[in-house]
Amino acid sequence: AQSVSQHNHHVILSEAASLELGCNYSYGGTVNLFWYVQYPGQHLQLLLKYFSGDPLVKGIKGFEAEFIKSKFSFNLRKPSVQWSDTAEYFCAAPLSGAGSYQLTFGKGTKLSVIP
Amino acid sequence: KAGVTQTPRYLIKTRGQQVTLSCSPISGHRSVSWYQQTPGQGLQFLFEYFSETQRNKGNFPGRFSGRQFSNSRSEMNVSTLELGDSALYLCASGTGGYNEQFFGPGTRLTVL
Repeated sequence: AQSVSQHNHHVILSEAASLELGCNYSYGGTVNLFWYVQYPGQHLQLLLKYFSGDPLVKGIKGFEAEFIKSKFSFNLRKPSVQWSDTAEYFCAAPLSGAGSYQLTFGKGTKLSVIP
Repeated sequence: KAGVTQTPRYLIKTRGQQVTLSCSPISGHRSVSWYQQTPGQGLQFLFEYFSETQRNKGNFPGRFSGRQFSNSRSEMNVSTLELGDSALYLCASGTGGYNEQFFGPGTRLTVL
């Protein structure tokens, strides 16, 4: 990928609501995609990743993401959020190019879940 | 397996000073990357080291530098600190290539 963009800056949901966070990438060769989560006061953790194969990827804590090549999207979903899902979520992809192994991140989406 | 560790966790410096941050990767990981995280700019890539060689560098001034030792531990240095350098500096380790990176807790640098 060359760049990653996240549509929503801040999302506020009530517990049990469904979640979908948008992520789009610009095409640039091999597509490997990641979602990371940063809980308040904690370090970035990997939620899930897509390298190839089944475009529906399941991650930890009930999260899943769907890779849609035609839309250059990799949206994160969860059917029913909990208060403990309050965190900031980052979509990321390796910057393509010879010898380039850096991750490029979206700006992040803050999720606030109201009990 | 122990995770990525970073020291110190918090630093307060004044403008013009220099600072050195340290990162110990997960055992067996040879790739170490550094990122700067700020509320306005988000996560921005600084540089990546693999087996003591800098493979990639982000778009930061030359005041930002780093190195990696033979045991894969890495340090980054910022000289002539500016107020805008206040940020959370994150270190991530990996096996290299297009695989996931594992992040440390970060060093919170405040420049006064």
